[in-house]
Amino acid sequence: QVQLVESGGGVVQPGRSLRLSCAASGFTFRTYAMHWVRQAPGKGLEWLTTIWFNGNNKFYADSVKGRFTISRDDSKDTLYLQMDSLRAEDTAVYFCARESLEEELIDYWGQGTLVTVSS
Amino acid sequence: SDELTQPPSVSVSPGQTARITCSGDKLSTRYASWYQQKPGQAPVLVIYKDGERPSGIPERFSGSNSGTTVTLIISGVQAEDEADYYCLSSDGSGSLWVFGGGTKLTVL
Repeated sequence: QVQLVESGGGVVQPGRSLRLSCAASGFTFRTYAMHWVRQAPGKGLEWLTTIWFNGNNKFYADSVKGRFTISRDDSKDTLYLQMDSLRAEDTAVYFCARESLEEELIDYWGQGTLVTVSS
Repeated sequence: SDELTQPPSVSVSPGQTARITCSGDKLSTRYASWYQQKPGQAPVLVIYKDGERPSGIPERFSGSNSGTTVTLIISGVQAEDEADYYCLSSDGSGSLWVFGGGTKLTVL
């Protein structure tokens, strides 16, 4: 069965960096585009970034462009999100998610990891 | 505009039909998918391509599209359907994805 397990969340000071990981299993990771989505406390879902299956194309929401970097290591079946210059408004649960092969949609989600940006 | 607009809340009595709308200019040319999220849990896909239902999702969940508005329809609402619901669509090139603001469904 498809499993996505995020890790790396925690409390970090404003202006510092943090790297999230998402370990994938139960499917052929290298053939899928992957996404990061976040949800601030009590708020809705916000799409952040996607990386295509070959890693050659990456796209970002304006809110994180230039500060966050998505990457993947297909040898480890792992997705990453490097978050730099963190701000208080980046406080959220961060989900990794898989894009369907057949349709343009997200079909599986991880359980999320909480990032708190606070001094 | 790439925005998707949903009503903040919808309330229905058990056994009634709930309709949750998602409006956006690009929906006339792009499909939308719908996700159910219960407190403390990850979202779950309930409808895709406007009205298709993934395996394991109850038949009471359906969807429709009328131009720039897509609608999630839950027939015979049950208490367990109480959750937040989000629509999602992309720009067609896979470079920009947008969620609706979410709708809290309350079962009275």
